[in-house]
Amino acid sequence: EAGVTQFPSHSVIEKGQTVTLRCDPISGHDNLYWYRRVMGKEIKFLLHFVKESKQDESGMPNNRFLAERTGGTYSTLKVQPAELEDSGVYFCASSHTVGTGKYYGYTFGSGTRLTVV
Amino acid sequence: GQQVMQIPQYQHVQEGEDFTTYCNSSTTLSNIQWYKQRPGGHPVFLIQLVKSGEVKKQKRLTFQFGEAKKNSSLHITATQTTDVGTYFCAGRTSVSGQKLVFGQGTRLTINP
Repeated sequence: EAGVTQFPSHSVIEKGQTVTLRCDPISGHDNLYWYRRVMGKEIKFLLHFVKESKQDESGMPNNRFLAERTGGTYSTLKVQPAELEDSGVYFCASSHTVGTGKYYGYTFGSGTRLTVV
Repeated sequence: GQQVMQIPQYQHVQEGEDFTTYCNSSTTLSNIQWYKQRPGGHPVFLIQLVKSGEVKKQKRLTFQFGEAKKNSSLHITATQTTDVGTYFCAGRTSVSGQKLVFGQGTRLTINP
């Protein structure tokens, strides 16, 4: 099966500009997650979709970040306007859910390295 | 909120030496997963532990889940250069749902 695909792989933008990241999860995976890793630190949760619905967006840093998942398929994460501290690697991951309390591991995409200058 | 602490942050070993990374949670975990991220790569799922005191092995890798389900460890026996990378633990609680909380990772480098 095809893996999780993220686009672009790299993006360099100026402070104040807008950037949109895209994630195509594995087909059939209802769960889609966005995470961010900054400066070699931990991988921090941003939000979680179940199909097209936002299940948990407690990790979104502020209202400059907007995530959508059209029709429960691919997802986009828009940063507008970008700030210097938004730099980092943005990972998307997807997973199955099988029954209550049963979980699979995540399949991660290759990430988008965002640099705000 | 829930925190997952991982130590050490860095570990450099000679090829053939053993390596261990430790993971501690501030809250009881319903399950814990381990991931490996190669340099320049993305995290790849290794294993999931669910039961108290569970031990699982994958070739030279041994994973343990503590009796209290608040800590875990990954031990690699006789490291090889292919083991280079960052190892992350990630846990869930009964209230975090599907969300995984990741530790800071342990970056392993190996001298051949």
